[in-house]
Amino acid sequence: GAVVSQHPSWVICKSGTSVKIECRSLDFQATTMFWYRQFPKQSLMLMATSNEGSKATYEQGVEKDKFLINHASLTLSTLTVTSAHPEDSSFYICSATLRAGGYLNTDTQYFGPGTRLTVL
Amino acid sequence: QKEVEQNSGPLSVPEGAIASLNCTYSDRGSQSFFWYRQYSGKSPELIMSIYSNGDKEDGRFTAQLNKASQYVSLLIRDSQPSDSATYLCAVNENGGATNKLIFGTGTLLAVQP
Repeated sequence: GAVVSQHPSWVICKSGTSVKIECRSLDFQATTMFWYRQFPKQSLMLMATSNEGSKATYEQGVEKDKFLINHASLTLSTLTVTSAHPEDSSFYICSATLRAGGYLNTDTQYFGPGTRLTVL
Repeated sequence: QKEVEQNSGPLSVPEGAIASLNCTYSDRGSQSFFWYRQYSGKSPELIMSIYSNGDKEDGRFTAQLNKASQYVSLLIRDSQPSDSATYLCAVNENGGATNKLIFGTGTLLAVQP
């Protein structure tokens, strides 16, 4: 149980284009989904917290107009990197926590496999 | 600023030995503690969670928690080369009020065959 998928697993795009990344909880309903970014040999950096039906809460220093988050359902959240530039190239990872009532702990974050974005 | 501290390593142990990974945290209100493993180029995967003082064992892994000392550790028995990875300690923020985790920077473990 507690499987989280991401699509695509990698993407290469030209500077100035927008890229959408999907995060799905496959076998549970997610109360909250989180979006992280990780640069090579660095730690995870939380970008935003997303609750179904609500606006995402962004961490300090993260541009909400550049990183658009939509949490359309209890199993799907999307991150759109708008007008991507080479400095946005990174490993983007989502995680999800369980909606109360299931068999899994509600505060454990289950991670997706990540999306590697390369902006040329 | 609430923090989670880990030695970045690398921690090098011979195959078959016990690897001991340590973590300290600053938020006394934290109630949930997690260990994740991250292979190079991959996303983190959950190894164990621990909520109460003492030891929790799962196969070759044992998590230890001491809330009074604000200390959590992970022991890996009979270490294998496949255990070579970065181990992330994570602690819930504000006792879980925000549902966010605070991650340490991770300890790189290298198991030598």
